[in-house]
Amino acid sequence: QSVLTQPPSVSGAPGQRVTISCTGSSSNIGANYDVHWYQQLPGTAPKLLIYGNNNRPSGVPDRFSGSKSGASASLAINGLQAEDEADYYCQSSDSSLSAVVFGGGTKLIVL
Amino acid sequence: EVQLVESGGGLVQPGRSLRLSCAASGFAFSSFGMSWVRQAPGKGLEWVSTISETGDTTYYAVSVKGRFTISRDNSNKTVYLQLNNLSAEDTAVYYCANVRGAVHYFFYYMHVWGKGTTVTVSS
Repeated sequence: QSVLTQPPSVSGAPGQRVTISCTGSSSNIGANYDVHWYQQLPGTAPKLLIYGNNNRPSGVPDRFSGSKSGASASLAINGLQAEDEADYYCQSSDSSLSAVVFGGGTKLIVL
Repeated sequence: EVQLVESGGGLVQPGRSLRLSCAASGFAFSSFGMSWVRQAPGKGLEWVSTISETGDTTYYAVSVKGRFTISRDNSNKTVYLQLNNLSAEDTAVYYCANVRGAVHYFFYYMHVWGKGTTVTVSS
């Protein structure tokens, strides 16, 4: 059971918009820790996608965006493309655990 | 270009030890914290440990505290993870990553990741 809760899977057709939620609590996201997102393509290492809630590293398309409100965060992907099919993980920190915490991951299926 | 290359993984019997290495290049190694994150087969990501820029402060997940030790050699741009008293639950791909942000306050993220090294614990 992960400290941060993500849906196991989401799906969408090419061109559509999908969102992936990441729900925490008052000891992590709600405690003002930033949320970061990683994309893991099949068989590869994770890659930073969004940092500091809503910032994109250079090279990440602006189709990807992040937001945070209260103890939750979301990753939005506009204009879905086949190559977006991957696992997505949110990450924050937890003051009660004194630890970095990840969500359980969400598999994005492009129909 | 930032590069992180892990090595040292392999097949090891329960109760034995292993030392993982992560060689860094392409950035000012001694200016950044470093982390290890693992991923068990078919499972999600699990943070394992982080070390500060100078190596004077280390942090561990509860699941590995007392068994794993993180260290670094800034002159050789390498971070290590010593794994002791291994069990089947430690079977995973181990990734190293450089950290951006304030390690001491847990306000950080994993910026660039290596390709990982596989540890299999089995008799």
